[in-house]
Amino acid sequence: GAVVSQHPSWVICKSGTSVKIECRSLDFQATTMFWYRQFPKQSLMLMATSNEGSKATYEQGVEKDKFLINHASLTLSTLTVTSAHPEDSSFYICSARRGNQPQHFGDGTRLSIL
Amino acid sequence: KQEVTQIPAALSVPEGENLVLNCSFTDSAIYNLQWFRQDPGKGLTSLLLIQSSQREQTSGRLNASLDKSSGRSTLYIAASQPGDSATYLCAVRDNQAGTALIFGKGTTLSVSS
Repeated sequence: GAVVSQHPSWVICKSGTSVKIECRSLDFQATTMFWYRQFPKQSLMLMATSNEGSKATYEQGVEKDKFLINHASLTLSTLTVTSAHPEDSSFYICSARRGNQPQHFGDGTRLSIL
Repeated sequence: KQEVTQIPAALSVPEGENLVLNCSFTDSAIYNLQWFRQDPGKGLTSLLLIQSSQREQTSGRLNASLDKSSGRSTLYIAASQPGDSATYLCAVRDNQAGTALIFGKGTTLSVSS
């Protein structure tokens, strides 16, 4: 149980385009979802926390206008990287949690901006 | 602000050795602590979760301990195997509502046959 599906697993796109990543909790209702970013050989850095139906809370240094997060339902959150540039290339991982239960993680999305 | 540190950053051992990975955190007011495994280019696999009221958790050859007052946790791997080669991440959740797991930078383990 407690499966989190993240899609796509890998995306390559041109600089200036926008990319949307989906995160779904398949067998539970996620009251809170989290988005992390991981650069090569670095740890996971929390980008933002979102509760269903509310605006996301962004960590310091994360541009909310660049990384748009939508958590419109209890099973789906999306991260849109707007006007992506090569420095946005990274591994993005979502995580979902129901209430006070442990966080469950998606398999990540490798984003490469050319 | 909570900070998580893992030592060593990298570790190479021959197959069969027992080993210990260390994790420390700056704020002892945690809700729980979790150890993950991450293979190159992959997502996270949860290994063990220790609640703040617990001292240790065991799963197969893995044993994780927690000393909340000193802000430390260890992951003990017995009889290491080449398949154990991966990066091991320690993460803590603060004792506040709605908080996310905060990760250390990980220990990259290489077990040679």
